[in-house]
Amino acid sequence: GNSVTQMEGPVTLSEEAFLTINCTYTATGYPSLFWYVQYPGEGLQLLLKATKADDKGSNKGFEATYRKETTSFHLEKGSVQVSDSAVYFCARGDDTDKLIFGTGTRLQVFP
Amino acid sequence: GAGVSQSPSNKVTEKGKDVELRCDPISGHTALYWYRQSLGQGLEFLIYFQGNSAPDKSGLPSDRFSAERTGGSVSTLTIQRTQQEDSAVYLCASRRSTDTQYFGPGTRLTVL
Repeated sequence: GNSVTQMEGPVTLSEEAFLTINCTYTATGYPSLFWYVQYPGEGLQLLLKATKADDKGSNKGFEATYRKETTSFHLEKGSVQVSDSAVYFCARGDDTDKLIFGTGTRLQVFP
Repeated sequence: GAGVSQSPSNKVTEKGKDVELRCDPISGHTALYWYRQSLGQGLEFLIYFQGNSAPDKSGLPSDRFSAERTGGSVSTLTIQRTQQEDSAVYLCASRRSTDTQYFGPGTRLTVL
């Protein structure tokens, strides 16, 4: 089964609202964790990553903290913009660094 | 520099035909991955190449799927006797040593 679980979408927010997209994982050891983003009509892009426990990844105002106690890597942004509308994928690496993805969460931000 | 490129960007084929999808990784990247993005299955790993090592084929869904990587660079994913359930976006990614994976734009395959 899928060892990365993220909240189902779509998530619909107004501009400047606070965003949280939950992600939890199952793994032996401490895998690297990632958030990828797919903007409409574009390919997958790395948004941020964390490679060890308590690391915080950040980019473009987004943040996620690697929490080994809760096996979570929730994505947050304090004030979303319309341009943040996209599909967000949580992923973890394995021993060979192939990525195991969550199902993706569609974010829609309205002005 | 140039990113990962894939061709064709779109491919429409008839059920039962064979297709070949191409991936050009970023120069110098030793690791290459193929993934598939479909409505029913989300994003799933297919196959992984690392240098001259034997590829990790554990994600290939059936023996109709195969891939090769020539000269440690370009890779071709071949699907034989395509079925409608093979319709998906096929993504290629490459990586240098322990760096992050960088994805190509994908090939959208439609099997009629």
